[in-house]
Amino acid sequence: DTAVSQTPKYLVTQMGNDKSIKCEQNLGHDTMYWYKQDSKKFLKIMFSYNNKELIINETVPNRFSPKSPDKAHLNLHINSLELGDSAVYFCASSQGGGISQPQHFGDGTRLSIL
Amino acid sequence: AQKITQTQPGMFVQEKEAVTLDCTYDTSDQSYGLFWYKQPSSGEMIFLIYQGSYDEQNATEGRYSLNFQKARKSANLVISASQLGDSAMYFCAMREEWSGAGSYQLTFGKGTKLSVIP
Repeated sequence: DTAVSQTPKYLVTQMGNDKSIKCEQNLGHDTMYWYKQDSKKFLKIMFSYNNKELIINETVPNRFSPKSPDKAHLNLHINSLELGDSAVYFCASSQGGGISQPQHFGDGTRLSIL
Repeated sequence: AQKITQTQPGMFVQEKEAVTLDCTYDTSDQSYGLFWYKQPSSGEMIFLIYQGSYDEQNATEGRYSLNFQKARKSANLVISASQLGDSAMYFCAMREEWSGAGSYQLTFGKGTKLSVIP
């Protein structure tokens, strides 16, 4: 029943490791996003894909690599994790980029780097 | 300059009272959309309400309404008859017609933490 689902919900790992977060949406949307929420709760766009095509790639270290195998999935792979990567990562989806289309969010993945 | 400004880091409201959460925005686009999201302590982001720049009427969704004043560039969220479950962070966000990569990007404010007192 879940519209946008992310796994895992929690990710605790050591500095230097590589990890992935998976996201799937069953809303039939064609656009998906990754946002990062920092410790002060500020949300910032990282990436956006429309029909599997990268649309937005904000100033994010190239250790972060999104991959969209199909319209319903957008995964985030992070190499060589650093302490500053600790945050909550949200996946979201919408139907296109129209200004009236709300983005629907997953429950977030809390990443903690030891 | 910040595109979305929420000046109230924290707000308190008595249960059953109404509360207004402030949001001002900055854009040179004529066409844009304004959104409010709720983030409870459990962490999920819940879409509440949308207002389009060309909408003549203020948006309403149940106990939520949006006080949209275009000339003042403000889009305040009004929650009527507050309930304990309304305690959460509330984020105002904007989608502009042209934000570099089309209108895909949602720009968020820093949020307001609302606490409902029994």
